[in-house]
Amino acid sequence: QVQLVESGGGVVQTGRSLRLSCAAFGFAFSRAAIHWVRQAPGKGLEWVAVISTDGSKTYYTDSVKGRFTISRDNSKNTVFLQMNSLRPEDTAVYYCARGVDSSGYWHDAFDMWGQGTMVTVSS
Amino acid sequence: DTQMTQSPSSVSASVGDRVTITCRASQGLSNWLAWYQQKPGKAPKLLIYAASNLQSGVPSRFSGSGSGTDFTLTISSLQPEDFATYYCQQANSFPYTFGQGTKLEIK
Repeated sequence: QVQLVESGGGVVQTGRSLRLSCAAFGFAFSRAAIHWVRQAPGKGLEWVAVISTDGSKTYYTDSVKGRFTISRDNSKNTVFLQMNSLRPEDTAVYYCARGVDSSGYWHDAFDMWGQGTMVTVSS
Repeated sequence: DTQMTQSPSSVSASVGDRVTITCRASQGLSNWLAWYQQKPGKAPKLLIYAASNLQSGVPSRFSGSGSGTDFTLTISSLQPEDFATYYCQQANSFPYTFGQGTKLEIK
């Protein structure tokens, strides 16, 4: 079955770390850019980070730069989001999503999403 | 960062109605804009990419138009399953940004 499956969410105290995983099934994972998008409770969507197909390029939203690191292991069809120095405002459902872009210049839409994993940062 | 402003924030409509949602960007996007539908407790679903391209499997009652800074999503004849929240997303430059969402409710 073609899908993305996130795991690793949970409740953590302010300042601690958490690592999320996004496992891919049923498609050519090594040819897909993978994004993380989050959604705080009752709020809208916020793009977090992206990693290129070979892992050589990564981009982040400003609020997580220096704290979050996105990486991938193409041999395991998995993308990771290492989240350090967590803050209450990081509390959200975290989705991984596959990027699709016909231009080859990072104009991605997200055509496949996981079910999400909840991260709660308590103060 | 590119700011995305959707209007309206919410709209009430009836089955069979035609509904239009607009999205305005703070800077030009060419046609690098996508639209998503999200139902409560579910992940978003891609409807439209590159402003006007219908994603595979999405009903043809959904359509998108626009370029530059002004974009629209139109649902030509609302069906019961269309009541949801809709988001636009700019894919012109990092950081990607989303509109605040438009909640489509049953009248």
